[in-house]
Amino acid sequence: DAGITQSPRHKVTETGTPVTLRCHQTENHRYMYWYRQDPGHGLRLIHYSYGVKDTDKGEVSDGYSVSRSKTEDFLLTLESATSSQTSVYFCAIRTGGGYTFGSGTRLTVV
Amino acid sequence: AQSVTQPDIHITVSEGASLELRCNYSYGATPYLFWYVQSPGQGLQLLLKYFSGDTLVQGIKGFEAEFKRSQSSFNLRKPSVHWSDAAEYFCAVGAQESNYQLIWGAGTKLIIKP
Repeated sequence: DAGITQSPRHKVTETGTPVTLRCHQTENHRYMYWYRQDPGHGLRLIHYSYGVKDTDKGEVSDGYSVSRSKTEDFLLTLESATSSQTSVYFCAIRTGGGYTFGSGTRLTVV
Repeated sequence: AQSVTQPDIHITVSEGASLELRCNYSYGATPYLFWYVQSPGQGLQLLLKYFSGDTLVQGIKGFEAEFKRSQSSFNLRKPSVHWSDAAEYFCAVGAQESNYQLIWGAGTKLIIKP
């Protein structure tokens, strides 16, 4: 199985603070994705990357930025966290035509 | 517009009974179709996928799905469910033309009655 890890697994932060979530893969897959999951909405794409320093927006990108300075790491940053960004965040990599997901980060903004 | 519909938010099935979860899609290109399962507090795991060929595909954990182009459906089935199948199930659609970006259904939560 493709190695993909997310950190941290859980985080509580205050409104207005910056937060960075990390996704790390071990197999040099080109495509990486950040999703958020909320009840009733399924998975919604925030940003994705198709290579080092190559990123693009998804359907819910407002308030989020990403960076990919090396193949194995894809960072998601909330510049100024808001309560509406309380969610579970999943990273995924494209493998064999489908996606392999990390275990998720549960973020609570208070 | 491209979309995936899972019409059932929740389904309750008795242990040992058969299961069918519905998935309908609206997609302009030839679709690639996926079913994923998510256990509580976990990430998503691929159950099965359809790219081409035989329209009945077998997956892990005894699941299968059938692609019906005329009905734009990709329903997931299992002949006899086990308590461990209780989870949320997601259908997703993608295509080469959209660079394999997946569009997701909202999910169906499966509840197993003892």
